[in-house]
Amino acid sequence: GEDVEQSLFLSVREGDSSVINCTYTDSSSTYLYWYKQEPGAGLQLLTYIFSNMDMKQDQRLTVLLNKKDKHLSLRIADTQTGDSAIYFCAERTSGTYKYIFGTGTRLKVLA
Amino acid sequence: EAGVAQSPRYKIIEKRQSVAFWCNPISGHATLYWYQQILGQGPKLLIQFQNNGVVDDSQLPKDRFSAERLKGVDSTLKIQPAKLEDSAVYLCASSSRGGDEQFFGPGTRLTVL
Repeated sequence: GEDVEQSLFLSVREGDSSVINCTYTDSSSTYLYWYKQEPGAGLQLLTYIFSNMDMKQDQRLTVLLNKKDKHLSLRIADTQTGDSAIYFCAERTSGTYKYIFGTGTRLKVLA
Repeated sequence: EAGVAQSPRYKIIEKRQSVAFWCNPISGHATLYWYQQILGQGPKLLIQFQNNGVVDDSQLPKDRFSAERLKGVDSTLKIQPAKLEDSAVYLCASSSRGGDEQFFGPGTRLTVL
């Protein structure tokens, strides 16, 4: 079945690195995504990785994919207070372009 | 380019009333999605359109929810009659045909009293 799981909360100090984890179950997932949601707003796409890649880096963001364990992580370097938000991972099933979202991880950055 | 537009942004109704939400996707995007996001949860797909055809509506409560995208551009989602558990944010998203990225609107926050 399709299921995407995330830890609910993460708290870090400003300037530290944040690592948000996600596990998924659909081995046929083609793409895996990270979205950011700020209060009262829709979801903003941060980055995504194709399933044949292990890592993708985009400025302060690093995505690691362990396809064997179906584990995805998002590392935010030099975390800032503006990074405080809810982060969702999502998998996209091949063929239908259907996205399955996780429950979200609330990141709180302490000044 | 303009993003995904949704209206209204907020709606408060009483249970058993009807409500409709509107979405205008990014110009040229063939795929349109409606999601329900209950507080503290991730978005759950309600319905997915490809142009004006339904691709997936398996999680749409069809006894009370309906959606249409008649001309393959903008879309409306209707709830009739609303229940308390329908209180949520309704998100619309769009993507280009074969596109790898999905873009979200700001959402409509529905409160059912």
